[in-house]
Amino acid sequence: SQQGEEDPQALSIQEGENATMNCSYKTSINNLQWYRQNSGRGLVHLILIRSNEREKHSGRLRVTLDTSKKSSSLLITASRAADTASYFCATSGSARQLTFGSGTQLTVLP
Amino acid sequence: GAVVSQHPSRVICKSGTSVKIECRSLDFQATTMFWYRQFPKQSLMLMATSNEGSKATYEQGVEKDKFLINHASLTLSTLTVTSAHPEDSSFYICSAVGGGEGETQYFGPGTRLLVL
Repeated sequence: SQQGEEDPQALSIQEGENATMNCSYKTSINNLQWYRQNSGRGLVHLILIRSNEREKHSGRLRVTLDTSKKSSSLLITASRAADTASYFCATSGSARQLTFGSGTQLTVLP
Repeated sequence: GAVVSQHPSRVICKSGTSVKIECRSLDFQATTMFWYRQFPKQSLMLMATSNEGSKATYEQGVEKDKFLINHASLTLSTLTVTSAHPEDSSFYICSAVGGGEGETQYFGPGTRLLVL
């Protein structure tokens, strides 16, 4: 069964606004990763945050991790129409296997 | 970043036939490759973990005799869907991890399988 749950399931915003997606998981992790998937395509790795990190930035992306609450958030600032995609969090334990969340479908309206 | 390719990108076959999907790491050696299945509007579900030179480890509920995995080299893993049926129609995605302390999985573009 999937470990991660993401909310919202779907998010629709205007271009220029910020988008925030949340992810919760159930067991202890080594790291948590965020991926993006355009419809019918493969996954693109966005950012990895380790269990001993609390926040990480990459360009317009900001990821937080709260291991006490077993949750993470992905913030995309100044969104663009090209950011429209599905976003998945994935947790990794000792075996390097990834367990994916249910995903958030983001639509950025021009 | 590292590049992973999959072939074919799309396949349509008749029920009962077998389909082979290739996953290649193009610019790095992948000690471990993973195979996922994704149904429409759903998340990725791990099917199996493939380590070069050893037998694949299958997730619970995944039939190893139906989904044959071969990881013959450090750059190639294959998934063969044997005697495919319409319920096997799905999007199959592989990922690869390099050696050492590499944590990032690099994903292939996926293979869309449609079984008629």
